[in-house]
Amino acid sequence: ETGVTQTPRHLVMGMTNKKSLKCEQHLGHNAMYWYKQSAKKPLELMFVYSLEERVENNSVPSRFSPECPNSSHLFLHLHTLQPEDSALYLCASSQGGTGGHGELFFGEGSRLTVL
Amino acid sequence: GQNIDQPTEMTATEGAIVQINCTYQTSGFNGLFWYQQHAGEAPTFLSYNVLDGLEEKGRFSSFLSRSKGYSYLLLKELQMKDSASYLCAVPNAGNNRKLIWGLGTSLAVNP
Repeated sequence: ETGVTQTPRHLVMGMTNKKSLKCEQHLGHNAMYWYKQSAKKPLELMFVYSLEERVENNSVPSRFSPECPNSSHLFLHLHTLQPEDSALYLCASSQGGTGGHGELFFGEGSRLTVL
Repeated sequence: GQNIDQPTEMTATEGAIVQINCTYQTSGFNGLFWYQQHAGEAPTFLSYNVLDGLEEKGRFSSFLSRSKGYSYLLLKELQMKDSASYLCAVPNAGNNRKLIWGLGTSLAVNP
């Protein structure tokens, strides 16, 4: 139990569906992240929110839409995805200042399959 | 550019010692992280080195040489539960919020 909870753990969706991934952190951290983990590739940073403000958008296609309503919750809204978007989506949080990168606490991930 | 290299796979025997290497190229340096990830689970933090030398934490130690762009993770008295992927990462030189990750080293510990 890392203090970061992701739901759902598994998701199968068609290319025309709309779904959302949810992340909740119980650690009082001030930054939250979405990462994509695919086989044979390094972890890819997608988005970073610091104090509920998006501070990083790593050239992610617009079919991925993040939302951070408060410092404990982070969503990733998915629509019209492609099969190559199938991957493990990891949420993480940290207590870092604006200039530093603190230790990341990861959720167990949402395994997404796009048919 | 920035890059991290790690061996893809390693095998070791229970009770033995194994060293997992990581080399990095970055225009600036702000520390190096090691994470452990068991299959189907979240990555978990192991260590953070910002100064040269060896830092010991129980059975796990991490070493850094900034002049050589080199780090290693040393695992002693290996146990079956140490079978996992070990990920090396450094903060992006121009943006500390972004980590540059290696592909990870998959370690198999055999009885």
